[in-house]
Formats: sequence, C-alpha cells, structure tokens
Amino acid sequence: GQNIDQPTEMTATEGAIVQINCTYQTSGFNGLFWYQQHAGEAPTFLSYNVLDGLEEKGRFSSFLSRSKGYSYLLLKELQMKDSASYLCAALDSNYQLIWGAGTKLIIKP
Amino acid sequence: GAVVSQHPSRVICKSGTSVKIECRSLDFQATTMFWYRQFPKQSLMLMATSNEGSKATYEQGVEKDKFLINHASLTLSTLTVTSAHPEDSSFYICSAPGLAEYNEQFFGPGTRLTVL
Repeated sequence: GQNIDQPTEMTATEGAIVQINCTYQTSGFNGLFWYQQHAGEAPTFLSYNVLDGLEEKGRFSSFLSRSKGYSYLLLKELQMKDSASYLCAALDSNYQLIWGAGTKLIIKP
Repeated sequence: GAVVSQHPSRVICKSGTSVKIECRSLDFQATTMFWYRQFPKQSLMLMATSNEGSKATYEQGVEKDKFLINHASLTLSTLTVTSAHPEDSSFYICSAPGLAEYNEQFFGPGTRLTVL
C-alpha cells in the first residue's frame, strides 16, 4: 500500500533550527511536496522536490533522497509564526497526492 | 500565484438539511478540482476529483449520492452535502492544480461545516 510517515508533534525554541522528517512508500513517484497549515486554515505551498538534493528557499529548505524514500523540511531561525502543522505529500505514478498526517510544530519562546 | 476562493467559510446547519459549498478559481481556469475533508488533528482526505463537463470521480468509501459534485464551468465547482448529519461536521477544502508542470495544488481557504 501507499504510506507517508512523519512525526506527530515536535517542539522547538524560537531562533533555533528544526528538521521535520518524512518517509514515503508510493506506487511510482513524481515528486514530494511540503505544505504549511495553520490551525483552521487551508494548507499553503512551501516546496516541491523531484530530484535528489537540497532545495533552499529563504529560512526553509527541503531535502529529498529518492533511493531512501525520505525527505525532510528544515526550518531555520524559527519564529513564533512558524507554529503550525507541516504536511508532507508524495505524488504517485497517477499524479495523485498521498498525504501524511502532518507534524504539529510548537515553537516556544 | 493562482487564487482559489471558497464560500461560505463557515456554516452551521440543522441535521437533515443540505449545504452547498462553492469553489472558484479566480484568475485561472481549472478543468480539474479536488475536494478534501479534514477532521480535527488528521490529515487531508481526498473525497473526489471534480472534472469540468463530466462526472466527478469519487474515492472509495465516499458516497456519491450524499456528496454531490457539480463542475459546470472552468472556474466553478460545487460540493453539496445532502441530508447532513453531525458526523459530516468537518473542514472541507477544495484545491485546483496550478500551471506549474509539477501539479502544485492551490487550496481554497476551506469551509467549516457544523451540523447540529
């Protein structure tokens, strides 16, 4: 079956760095997305990776290893507004998104 | 980026009534739109794929007679929850693929449905 695993909850300190991991098993693979979702709001797009390696975009970076079925989202210089759920989603061979359950990130002062 | 709107943002209704939720792509055309449901502290669950001019494709376990989807134009898809019950209370989100070749999804702001 198809499956996405990511931690349920993580806690970090303002100004620090946090890495949110995601492992996936899908029927075929056409890329991996990271979305941010604040409570009660719709998800917003953060990143897309389809090739191995690190993609950097400001304070956020996303990494992909296709051979390991693994990705992570790296958040630097954490701010209180980064408190949210972070959703990992893989695109399978039919271009259907397979969603993880999300990682709730709690930022403490 | 592309903008998707949803209306209403919040609705409270009595059990047994029907509720219509609209999803519009504001600055682009969407031949396909997706409808998701999200229960508290859970991930998005794809309910159906809405196709302009044809019948929607429903995911396994989603009742097509209860969740009516109409995609009458390239910018509008509607989801009607018929004879709503308290267990239908959820956050309903629509999305549409953008123009990027990697099929990035643009999400509407969501509709919070509460059935009393």
